Amino acid sequence: DTEVTQTPKHLVMGMTNKKSLKCEQHMGHRAMYWYKQKAKKPPELMFVYSYEKLSINESVPSRFSPECPNSSLLNLHLHALQPEDSALYLCASSQGYVGAPEQFFGPGTRLTVL
Amino acid sequence: GQQLNQSPQSMFIQEGEDVSMNCTSSSIFNTWLWYKQDPGEGPVLLIALYKAGELTSNGRLTAQFGITRKDSFLNISASIPSDVGIYFCAGQLRDDKIIFGKGTRLHILP
Repeated sequence: DTEVTQTPKHLVMGMTNKKSLKCEQHMGHRAMYWYKQKAKKPPELMFVYSYEKLSINESVPSRFSPECPNSSLLNLHLHALQPEDSALYLCASSQGYVGAPEQFFGPGTRLTVL
Repeated sequence: GQQLNQSPQSMFIQEGEDVSMNCTSSSIFNTWLWYKQDPGEGPVLLIALYKAGELTSNGRLTAQFGITRKDSFLNISASIPSDVGIYFCAGQLRDDKIIFGKGTRLHILP
């Protein structure tokens, strides 16, 4: 299995809702990433997990809460989002964070906050 | 902060033409990566470069790691309609942080 899967593909939520994005990989990768991508912009790093521990938090607001239950799964919990948080949320994985820069991306979750 | 300057921002070409795009920076990189992203999809890794001066091909795609470690280019030969999309360069800095260029949007004229 050489792919990263993300669910759901699309999500519409209100500003008072709580929802979660899910990401899964079975390539044995030990680093997983969350990116946010606005239209016509490059991916913007949010979080990095290395060996199931949070390594990097790029000053992301607390309304985004990542979780890595095991080496294959990565979640992003969403609460009290703002309309400007609407974007494509990409998950990626790599063999490791150090020394293995090749990241493999999932198809993304298109999030719309009303 | 560090940034990558990717050019051109967009390209309009005829099918069959060759394409060239590049990324430059004032920072030194350990690795260069080139990705392609189709609408509504995640980026797909095309080529990874690990050594200064390295020249690597993947089918009709060729990329090079600049000898100064501050730049890279991607060439596409004999473009076809499925080459349409956004191409991103990404560089890995010495502290392992990866930064992305702003992308080159490739359009193929009918």
